[in-house]
Amino acid sequence: NAGVTQTPKFRVLKTGQSMTLLCAQDMNHEYMYWYRQDPGMGLRLIHYSVGEGTTAKGEVPDGYNVSRLKKQNFLLGLESAAPSQTSVYFCASSDPGGLRQETQYFGPGTRLLVL
Amino acid sequence: GQQLNQSPQSMFIQEGEDVSMNCTSSSIFNTWLWYKQDPGEGPVLLIALYKAGELTSNGRLTAQFGITRKDSFLNISASIPSDVGIYFCAGLRGSNYKLTFGKGTLLTVNP
Repeated sequence: NAGVTQTPKFRVLKTGQSMTLLCAQDMNHEYMYWYRQDPGMGLRLIHYSVGEGTTAKGEVPDGYNVSRLKKQNFLLGLESAAPSQTSVYFCASSDPGGLRQETQYFGPGTRLLVL
Repeated sequence: GQQLNQSPQSMFIQEGEDVSMNCTSSSIFNTWLWYKQDPGEGPVLLIALYKAGELTSNGRLTAQFGITRKDSFLNISASIPSDVGIYFCAGLRGSNYKLTFGKGTLLTVNP
């Protein structure tokens, strides 16, 4: 099992450009999440999904869109990047029906710099 | 939204020392979790706590779920250089699988 993987690992964008971050998990988890991590702010939830075809807003959803067309993939899109979106983005997944249902498994992160 | 107050924000200790950090909240949580994040990596779960008063160990790590359900602490005994990283507490309420994270404690261990 690869667990949770994220692509790309690092990206530099210019203000106004768009991009999509891809998260994939091979654990057949139902729930998936996107967080951003900024210095001194901890992890903040952007969007999450409780199943294929469903998405919901988290704590800081503005400027982001997501899609969960396949159970194993969760995409995070930035339509028009802004410098305030410079951050490290983490994807996570969890299995609500599993023994450790509260455990979220995290990917290695995507470092995004918006100039 | 809900907030977890995690302290201290950072610690700089000598190898071999014990470490203690804690999280408090104004809200009740049903589950408390402690994660560690190594530099350049994603967070990894260390300990999960499910009942008020529960004390759980994982090697040199010990964590407790506060009696009031509004706090938790993590102790690391006899620290070693590989303990370096950011430690996060996280709380879960009811059947809502959205975790609330603390802002983290940055631990530096001087060999």
